[in-house]
Amino acid sequence: EDKVVQSPLSLVVHEGDTVTLNCSYEVTNFRSLLWYKQEKKAPTFLFMLTSSGIEKKSGRLSSILDKKELFSILNITATQTGDSAVYLCAVEAPPPGFGAGTTVTVRA
Amino acid sequence: NAGVTQTPKFQVLKTGQSMTLQCAQDMNHNSMYWYRQDPGMGLRLIYYSASEGTTDKGEVPNGYNVSRLNKREFSLRLESAAPSQTSVYFCASSERTSGFSYEQYFGPGTRLTVT
Repeated sequence: EDKVVQSPLSLVVHEGDTVTLNCSYEVTNFRSLLWYKQEKKAPTFLFMLTSSGIEKKSGRLSSILDKKELFSILNITATQTGDSAVYLCAVEAPPPGFGAGTTVTVRA
Repeated sequence: NAGVTQTPKFQVLKTGQSMTLQCAQDMNHNSMYWYRQDPGMGLRLIYYSASEGTTDKGEVPNGYNVSRLNKREFSLRLESAAPSQTSVYFCASSERTSGFSYEQYFGPGTRLTVT
């Protein structure tokens, strides 16, 4: 059975801190790993990763995939209150399977 | 472009009633999906349609049926609603080429309560 596990389940940080979110997976037919951000409504796409060791960056967010150790991390630097959200990891096996999400709360 | 649209936004049903959730996308995507989201459980796949004319069960299909009406529309039907089906339902679509799917675009969700 395919599994996608995210950790931690939740965390609280202060503005300016750096956050590291983890996503580990066990799937039989890996195609890609995707990160989404969900702010009390529909999830929105952040990154898609298919190759190991290639960092994807968008502003203060970055992500990398390790296909040997079967995990990905999402980093958020210099956090702002607008980064408060649930961050979801999905693995396309196919079809896509989601982890439970990590709830990030950024306090001013 | 409207993206992915869902109707209704909210619905309250009594146990045993039936209803159909509608979803449409205007991005010419091949693949469409139905998820449910419950607190602390992320998104769980109910059914998906990899391409027009095909549908497949996801992780939690029991109690649901789907219809891929055409390339744009994918509906989800609850034949006899149960309180355990109280949830937020999201429809999504993605492009799919040569067996590879790209990022999903999600509708705004339907909040369903079954009493």
